[in-house]
Amino acid sequence: DAKTTQPTSMDCAEGRAANLPCNHSTISGNEYVYWYRQIHSQGPQYIIHGLKNNETNEMASLIITEDRKSSTLILPHATLRDTAVYYCIVRFQGLNAGNMLTFGGGTRLMVKP
Amino acid sequence: GAGVSQSPRYKVAKRGQDVALRCDPISGHVSLFWYQQALGQGPEFLTYFQNEAQLDKSGLPSDRFFAERPEGSVSTLKIQRTQQEDSAVYLCASSSSRGGYEQYFGPGTRLTVT
Repeated sequence: DAKTTQPTSMDCAEGRAANLPCNHSTISGNEYVYWYRQIHSQGPQYIIHGLKNNETNEMASLIITEDRKSSTLILPHATLRDTAVYYCIVRFQGLNAGNMLTFGGGTRLMVKP
Repeated sequence: GAGVSQSPRYKVAKRGQDVALRCDPISGHVSLFWYQQALGQGPEFLTYFQNEAQLDKSGLPSDRFFAERPEGSVSTLKIQRTQQEDSAVYLCASSSSRGGYEQYFGPGTRLTVT
Protein backbone atom coordinates (compact mmCIF):
# COMPACT_ATOMS: atom_id res chain seq x y z
CA ASP A 1 0.00 0.00 0.00
CA ALA A 2 1.15 3.54 -0.74
CA LYS A 3 2.62 5.61 2.09
CA THR A 4 0.75 8.65 3.42
CA THR A 5 2.02 11.85 5.03
CA GLN A 6 -0.10 13.86 7.46
CA PRO A 7 0.62 16.78 9.78
CA THR A 8 1.26 15.63 13.32
CA SER A 9 -1.31 17.92 14.89
CA MET A 10 -3.89 20.59 14.10
CA ASP A 11 -6.21 22.86 16.05
CA CYS A 12 -9.70 23.93 15.03
CA ALA A 13 -12.24 26.26 16.63
CA GLU A 14 -15.54 24.70 17.59
CA GLY A 15 -18.17 25.28 14.92
CA ARG A 16 -15.65 25.94 12.20
CA ALA A 17 -14.71 23.58 9.39
CA ALA A 18 -11.76 21.30 10.05
CA ASN A 19 -9.67 20.56 6.95
CA LEU A 20 -7.25 17.67 7.39
CA PRO A 21 -4.73 17.18 4.57
CA CYS A 22 -3.06 13.98 3.45
CA ASN A 23 -0.34 13.41 0.88
CA HIS A 24 -0.17 10.09 -0.96
CA SER A 25 2.00 10.85 -3.97
CA THR A 26 2.82 7.19 -4.72
CA ILE A 27 -0.81 6.03 -4.85
CA SER A 28 -1.56 3.61 -7.65
CA GLY A 29 -4.63 3.54 -9.83
CA ASN A 30 -6.45 0.79 -7.95
CA GLU A 31 -5.81 2.09 -4.44
CA TYR A 32 -8.52 3.78 -2.42
CA VAL A 33 -8.15 6.55 0.16
CA TYR A 34 -9.69 5.72 3.55
CA TRP A 35 -10.10 7.88 6.62
CA TYR A 36 -10.52 6.58 10.15
CA ARG A 37 -10.42 8.41 13.44
CA GLN A 38 -9.64 7.28 16.97
CA ILE A 39 -11.09 9.06 19.94
CA HIS A 40 -9.13 8.63 23.16
CA SER A 41 -9.47 5.14 24.69
CA GLN A 42 -11.70 3.89 21.88
CA GLY A 43 -11.11 1.76 18.80
CA PRO A 44 -10.72 3.42 15.41
CA GLN A 45 -13.91 4.50 13.68
CA TYR A 46 -14.48 4.43 9.92
CA ILE A 47 -15.29 7.85 8.46
CA ILE A 48 -15.25 7.75 4.68
CA HIS A 49 -13.40 6.42 1.65
CA GLY A 50 -13.05 7.19 -2.04
CA LEU A 51 -11.21 6.35 -5.24
CA LYS A 52 -11.12 9.49 -7.35
CA ASN A 53 -14.43 11.29 -7.01
CA ASN A 54 -15.25 13.51 -4.09
CA GLU A 55 -17.38 11.78 -1.49
CA THR A 56 -19.72 13.03 1.21
CA ASN A 57 -21.58 11.29 4.01
CA GLU A 58 -23.19 12.30 7.27
CA MET A 59 -19.85 12.59 9.01
CA ALA A 60 -17.54 14.28 6.53
CA SER A 61 -16.52 15.12 2.99
CA LEU A 62 -13.51 13.74 1.17
CA ILE A 63 -11.87 15.82 -1.53
CA ILE A 64 -9.34 14.00 -3.73
CA THR A 65 -7.18 16.00 -6.14
CA GLU A 66 -7.42 15.21 -9.83
CA ASP A 67 -3.95 13.61 -9.89
CA ARG A 68 -4.93 11.66 -6.72
CA LYS A 69 -1.64 12.54 -5.05
CA SER A 70 -3.37 14.22 -2.11
CA SER A 71 -6.70 14.49 -0.38
CA THR A 72 -8.47 16.52 2.29
CA LEU A 73 -10.96 15.35 4.88
CA ILE A 74 -13.44 18.06 5.79
CA LEU A 75 -15.49 18.10 8.97
CA PRO A 76 -17.93 20.92 8.13
CA HIS A 77 -18.82 22.04 11.65
CA ALA A 78 -16.33 20.65 14.15
CA THR A 79 -17.51 19.94 17.69
CA LEU A 80 -15.54 19.13 20.81
CA ARG A 81 -16.42 15.46 20.28
CA ASP A 82 -14.46 15.50 17.03
CA THR A 83 -11.22 15.79 18.99
CA ALA A 84 -9.34 12.65 17.95
CA VAL A 85 -6.45 11.24 15.94
CA TYR A 86 -7.37 11.10 12.25
CA TYR A 87 -5.72 8.48 10.06
CA CYS A 88 -5.44 8.69 6.27
CA ILE A 89 -4.89 5.23 4.79
CA VAL A 90 -4.31 4.15 1.21
CA ARG A 91 -5.12 0.58 0.39
CA PHE A 92 -5.82 -1.78 -2.43
CA GLN A 93 -9.42 -2.94 -2.39
CA GLY A 94 -9.47 -6.66 -3.16
CA LEU A 95 -11.40 -9.70 -2.04
CA ASN A 96 -8.51 -11.79 -0.84
CA ALA A 97 -6.11 -11.68 2.03
CA GLY A 98 -3.97 -8.61 2.61
CA ASN A 99 -6.83 -6.22 3.22
CA MET A 100 -5.53 -5.04 6.54
CA LEU A 101 -5.38 -1.34 7.31
CA THR A 102 -1.88 0.15 7.53
CA PHE A 103 -2.05 3.04 9.99
CA GLY A 104 0.57 5.77 10.08
CA GLY A 105 0.96 8.35 12.80
CA GLY A 106 -2.19 10.26 11.94
CA THR A 107 -3.12 13.86 12.71
CA ARG A 108 -4.11 14.76 16.25
CA LEU A 109 -7.00 17.19 15.85
CA MET A 110 -7.83 19.34 18.84
CA VAL A 111 -11.16 21.16 18.65
CA LYS A 112 -11.17 24.13 21.00
CA PRO A 113 -14.16 26.04 22.39
CA GLY B 1 -27.31 -2.84 17.07
CA ALA B 2 -24.47 -4.40 19.00
CA GLY B 3 -21.01 -3.53 17.86
CA VAL B 4 -17.75 -5.42 18.25
CA SER B 5 -17.10 -6.37 21.84
CA GLN B 6 -13.85 -7.43 23.45
CA SER B 7 -13.06 -8.96 26.79
CA PRO B 8 -11.49 -8.39 29.14
CA ARG B 9 -11.12 -4.64 28.70
CA TYR B 10 -8.05 -4.63 30.91
CA LYS B 11 -5.64 -7.42 31.71
CA VAL B 12 -2.57 -7.38 33.91
CA ALA B 13 -0.27 -10.37 33.54
CA LYS B 14 2.99 -11.25 35.14
CA ARG B 15 5.84 -11.90 32.75
CA GLY B 16 5.74 -15.51 31.64
CA GLN B 17 1.99 -15.96 32.06
CA ASP B 18 -0.30 -16.97 29.22
CA VAL B 19 -3.24 -14.73 28.32
CA ALA B 20 -6.33 -15.13 26.14
CA LEU B 21 -8.15 -12.18 24.65
CA ARG B 22 -11.65 -12.58 23.25
CA CYS B 23 -13.37 -10.80 20.38
CA ASP B 24 -17.08 -10.98 19.58
CA PRO B 25 -17.56 -9.53 16.09
CA ILE B 26 -20.74 -8.06 14.71
CA SER B 27 -23.09 -10.93 13.94
CA GLY B 28 -22.72 -12.21 10.40
CA HIS B 29 -19.47 -10.41 9.68
CA VAL B 30 -17.24 -12.53 7.50
CA SER B 31 -13.91 -10.82 8.03
CA LEU B 32 -12.13 -10.43 11.35
CA PHE B 33 -8.87 -8.63 12.03
CA TRP B 34 -6.58 -8.32 15.05
CA TYR B 35 -4.34 -5.28 15.54
CA GLN B 36 -1.80 -4.32 18.19
CA GLN B 37 -1.46 -0.69 19.28
CA ALA B 38 1.51 0.42 21.33
CA LEU B 39 1.24 3.59 23.40
CA GLY B 40 1.29 6.67 21.17
CA GLN B 41 1.40 4.67 17.94
CA GLY B 42 -1.14 3.74 15.30
CA PRO B 43 -2.56 0.20 15.29
CA GLU B 44 -0.49 -2.48 13.58
CA PHE B 45 -1.94 -5.50 11.82
CA LEU B 46 -1.52 -8.91 13.41
CA THR B 47 -3.76 -11.39 11.64
CA TYR B 48 -6.87 -11.78 9.46
CA PHE B 49 -9.67 -14.36 9.28
CA GLN B 50 -12.23 -14.90 6.58
CA ASN B 51 -14.90 -16.97 8.32
CA GLU B 52 -12.92 -19.68 10.17
CA ALA B 53 -9.92 -19.58 7.83
CA GLN B 54 -6.87 -17.65 8.95
CA LEU B 55 -5.76 -16.19 5.63
CA ASP B 56 -3.00 -13.90 6.83
CA LYS B 57 -0.90 -14.11 9.98
CA SER B 58 2.06 -12.19 8.69
CA GLY B 59 1.82 -9.56 11.43
CA LEU B 60 2.09 -11.90 14.41
CA PRO B 61 5.37 -10.84 16.06
CA SER B 62 6.45 -14.26 17.28
CA ASP B 63 5.33 -17.87 17.64
CA ARG B 64 4.12 -16.96 21.13
CA PHE B 65 1.13 -15.33 19.46
CA PHE B 66 -1.70 -17.54 18.28
CA ALA B 67 -5.20 -16.68 17.05
CA GLU B 68 -8.20 -18.80 16.24
CA ARG B 69 -11.77 -18.45 15.07
CA PRO B 70 -13.01 -22.05 15.04
CA GLU B 71 -16.67 -21.46 14.14
CA GLY B 72 -16.25 -18.34 12.09
CA SER B 73 -17.63 -15.99 14.72
CA VAL B 74 -15.89 -15.44 18.07
CA SER B 75 -12.11 -15.17 17.92
CA THR B 76 -9.45 -15.59 20.56
CA LEU B 77 -5.95 -14.15 20.52
CA LYS B 78 -3.61 -16.08 22.78
CA ILE B 79 -0.21 -14.91 23.92
CA GLN B 80 2.03 -17.46 25.58
CA ARG B 81 4.82 -16.64 28.01
CA THR B 82 4.05 -12.92 27.95
CA GLN B 83 6.91 -10.44 27.82
CA GLN B 84 6.97 -6.77 28.77
CA GLU B 85 7.12 -5.77 25.12
CA ASP B 86 3.72 -7.39 24.65
CA SER B 87 2.15 -4.58 26.69
CA ALA B 88 -0.22 -2.81 24.30
CA VAL B 89 -3.87 -2.39 23.37
CA TYR B 90 -5.14 -5.28 21.29
CA LEU B 91 -7.89 -4.26 18.89
CA CYS B 92 -10.31 -6.49 17.04
CA ALA B 93 -12.21 -5.37 13.95
CA SER B 94 -14.84 -7.06 11.82
CA SER B 95 -16.26 -6.41 8.39
CA SER B 96 -19.25 -7.69 6.45
CA SER B 97 -17.25 -7.89 3.24
CA ARG B 98 -14.63 -10.44 2.28
CA GLY B 99 -12.39 -7.55 1.41
CA GLY B 100 -12.73 -5.91 4.80
CA TYR B 101 -13.61 -2.61 3.21
CA GLU B 102 -15.24 -0.94 6.22
CA GLN B 103 -13.85 -2.31 9.41
CA TYR B 104 -15.70 -1.85 12.69
CA PHE B 105 -13.43 -1.85 15.70
CA GLY B 106 -14.03 -2.95 19.25
CA PRO B 107 -12.85 -0.91 22.24
CA GLY B 108 -9.72 -3.00 22.63
CA THR B 109 -8.09 -4.92 25.47
CA ARG B 110 -5.31 -3.11 27.29
CA LEU B 111 -2.67 -5.67 28.27
CA THR B 112 -0.05 -4.72 30.81
CA VAL B 113 2.75 -7.19 31.47
CA THR B 114 4.61 -6.61 34.72
